[in-house]
Order: sequence, then C-alpha cells, then structure tokens
Amino acid sequence: GNSVTQMEGPVTLSEEAFLTINCTYTATGYPSLFWYVQYPGEGLQLLLKATKADDKGSNKGFEATYRKETTSFHLEKGSVQVSDSAVYFCALRPSNQAGTALIFGKGTTLSVSS
Amino acid sequence: GAVVSQHPSWVICKSGTSVKIECRSLDFQATTMFWYRQFPKQSLMLMATSNEGSKATYEQGVEKDKFLINHASLTLSTLTVTSAHPEDSSFYICSARGGEGYGYTFGSGTRLTVV
Repeated sequence: GNSVTQMEGPVTLSEEAFLTINCTYTATGYPSLFWYVQYPGEGLQLLLKATKADDKGSNKGFEATYRKETTSFHLEKGSVQVSDSAVYFCALRPSNQAGTALIFGKGTTLSVSS
Repeated sequence: GAVVSQHPSWVICKSGTSVKIECRSLDFQATTMFWYRQFPKQSLMLMATSNEGSKATYEQGVEKDKFLINHASLTLSTLTVTSAHPEDSSFYICSARGGEGYGYTFGSGTRLTVV
C-alpha cells in the first residue's frame, strides 16, 4: 500500500543552521508529493509540492526535490529561523486517484533556538 | 486563496454529550471533504471522506454511528461526535477540495476535550 516515512524528531537547531528532514515514500506509479507545516494550535498549511519526478518544490526558503529513483522528497532549508519552529508533515497523493485524501507521515517537530 | 473555516477551535464537553464541529469553505465549493483525527505527537489519521450530497465513506476502524458526518452543501460539512467519551479527546481537522485542479485546504482544527 501507499505510505510515507519521515525521520523521527524532534530536530533541534540553532538559528541559521542548515535543515534537512528526510522523507521517503512507498507508492505505485507517480504520486504527487507535499510538505505541510503545522504551527502550534493551528491546522496544516501547504509549504510546497511536486507532482512529477525531478520536480523541485520551493517556498519561503524551503526546497524539496521529487526523487523517483530513491523514492524520496527530503525537505531542506539553508538557514533556519526561530519562526520556522513547527511540525512538518510529508504527504503523498496516489497517482491515479485525484480525489482521494492525502496520506501523511508521522510529522517531524523542528525547534529552532536563537 | 482558498480558505476553510473550522469551528469551534476548542471545546470541552461532558462525557455522554454530543459535539458538532463545522467546516465551511469560504471562497470555493468543496466537492470533497476529508476529516482527520490527530493524536498527540502523531500523524493525521483519516477518519472519513465525504462528497457533497452523498454518504460519507469511513475508514476501517472508525465508528460511523459515533462520528456522524454530514456534507449537505458545497460549502459546509459537519462532524458530530455522539456520546463522547474521554478517549474521543483529540484534535480534529477537516480538509476540503474543490475538485480537479484544486489543492487541499485545511481547517485550523478543533481541540476536543471530553471530561
């Protein structure tokens, strides 16, 4: 079946450090891949997405590249800020099921200190 | 952009009572609504999928008589937790999709505490 595996957190970094949150997936075909961010007490916000192999999604300094060969979609940011502290979720939508729900990883908590 | 308004943002209720959570799409027609439950420090677990005017499709293990979902219009879906018990305490999140080509828009979530 379809699934998403994220690195376990929490991830604790100092401001301006480099961030990588690993995400790998299991799915048939070419799923669409997403990163969502959840700030404390809030719902999920779309951070970035990629819909086909080798696509790079980017937003607010965050990037992730859809790697079909390694079934990965790792999230990176070159210099994190305290305001980036949140929970990050990797998710996929199966390739041939446009109207279905997203499948989420367990989430990775990021804590950035000044 | 697309906005989904979810209310209430938090609610405390007594064991045995029912609680209704609303999700409204404010600037688009939500043809499909998804309801998730999130346990502390865990991922979102899909509870059910509903299409406007149709009965909801529940995931395995989710009691449809306990978690009543209504999607009577293209802008409103409700989740009613009936006869709530402390184990139903959780964070519930809705997500709406407006159809092909539209993304998934999430509500801000509802923190339910059953005492």
